[in-house]
Amino acid sequence: GAGVSQTPSNKVTEKGKYVELRCDPISGHTALYWYRQSLGQGPEFLIYFQGTGAADDSGLPNDRFFAVRPEGSVSTLKIQRTERGDSAVYLCASSSKYPTSGGYNEQFFGPGTRLTVL
Amino acid sequence: AQTVTQSQPEMSVQEAETVTLSCTYDTSESDYYLFWYKQPPSRQMILVIRQEAYKQQNATENRFSVNFQKAAKSFSLKISDSQLGDAAMYFCAYSLYSSASKIIFGSGTRLSIRP
Repeated sequence: GAGVSQTPSNKVTEKGKYVELRCDPISGHTALYWYRQSLGQGPEFLIYFQGTGAADDSGLPNDRFFAVRPEGSVSTLKIQRTERGDSAVYLCASSSKYPTSGGYNEQFFGPGTRLTVL
Repeated sequence: AQTVTQSQPEMSVQEAETVTLSCTYDTSESDYYLFWYKQPPSRQMILVIRQEAYKQQNATENRFSVNFQKAAKSFSLKISDSQLGDAAMYFCAYSLYSSASKIIFGSGTRLSIRP
């Protein structure tokens, strides 16, 4: 596809359940980022992949959150034992290893997955 | 730690008028990027404008321009000739001057356009 895609668009789950959120980056983009946007707030960084490896996971809030990118393309964010406080929009972004305009590697965002934990 | 502050939760402007959104930030770094992103109801973050900290000249993109005051750590966005399609959440953001770096966002300003 032309842009970053995320599935599902919306996910409703019950407290304590396990969820997986998927991100398909722009083809050929080596860097992939996950952000979490709580209601009325700006996005907050969770984790960044360069290829298959997590280069920076300092934003993951606790060990219930985990993300993988096994083949360096699609990434899955996994949340165990969901809590009501996990309700948010989860945004994914990707960028090329090669700078675009002005020497900057622009991050292109997907439409996000809205997670609601009841 | 780097922080980004937007003190205007909501702004309103008459169509065709000019509006300025405010932003301040804090960092001890000397090389960094500053951004303004637009987020319409579709949730997709769209880059409006980017400023490199080492550049003294303010960035401009058509009707959008910034006032970058490095010493004051201030970075405001001016939207000229406001259009109905400009209505959205606007986020001020920061990242280190690196080929790949996380973006730190402010809390956003909701801009509405009065026809």
